[in-house]
Amino acid sequence: QKEVEQDPGPLSVPEGAIVSLNCTYSNSAFQYFMWYRQYSRKGPELLMYTYSSGNKEDGRFTAQVDKSSKYISLFIRDSQPSDSATYLCAMSEGGSYIPTFGRGTSLIVHP
Amino acid sequence: SQTIHQWPATLVQPVGSPLSLECTVEGTSNPNLYWYRQAAGRGLQLLFYSVGIGQISSEVPQNLSASRPQDRQFILSSKKLLLSDSGFYLCAWSGTANSPLHFGNGTRLTVT
Repeated sequence: QKEVEQDPGPLSVPEGAIVSLNCTYSNSAFQYFMWYRQYSRKGPELLMYTYSSGNKEDGRFTAQVDKSSKYISLFIRDSQPSDSATYLCAMSEGGSYIPTFGRGTSLIVHP
Repeated sequence: SQTIHQWPATLVQPVGSPLSLECTVEGTSNPNLYWYRQAAGRGLQLLFYSVGIGQISSEVPQNLSASRPQDRQFILSSKKLLLSDSGFYLCAWSGTANSPLHFGNGTRLTVT
């Protein structure tokens, strides 16, 4: 069992839909959680960074962490074709320099 | 603000040739530096990381090496490329432990 599981997709939604992207993990020591967006042939770009459980909102994006279930989510409201990309989750233990990445979920938002 | 530069963007090299990919970070001092390789459908593979000059950790034994000649410069090298070295190479930096990584735009390497 991998430490971080992420459905590769692709997830195809119509423009304007609410998108839910998820990761599950097995290591209860993870405390820091990140979401990255990666466009084709580009490097990953940090979207959200959270510590421990709870929600964090930034514009159309909401990151949610449920440590009791070992489950994190990224919600995208009013999705746009420009949101079409691969979304990677990442997480790390306290004091660590090396995050563990999921393999990414491909999202396609069609007009 | 901090920026990371990685070059070249694309590279085509014959088998057996040497490799040098360079990455520099601006706007911060003593960053942690990372080299990753990303293969289609296989996620990010950490190759090397460095928490300071002269401190380089290798995660995967292979045909590659890394050096950090200056505080904000990280170089990925190979003496003789293999076909299996083809891939998308990403450099990244971070600040303190647990701070998020920030990636460059990558180098797509094709070994022919």
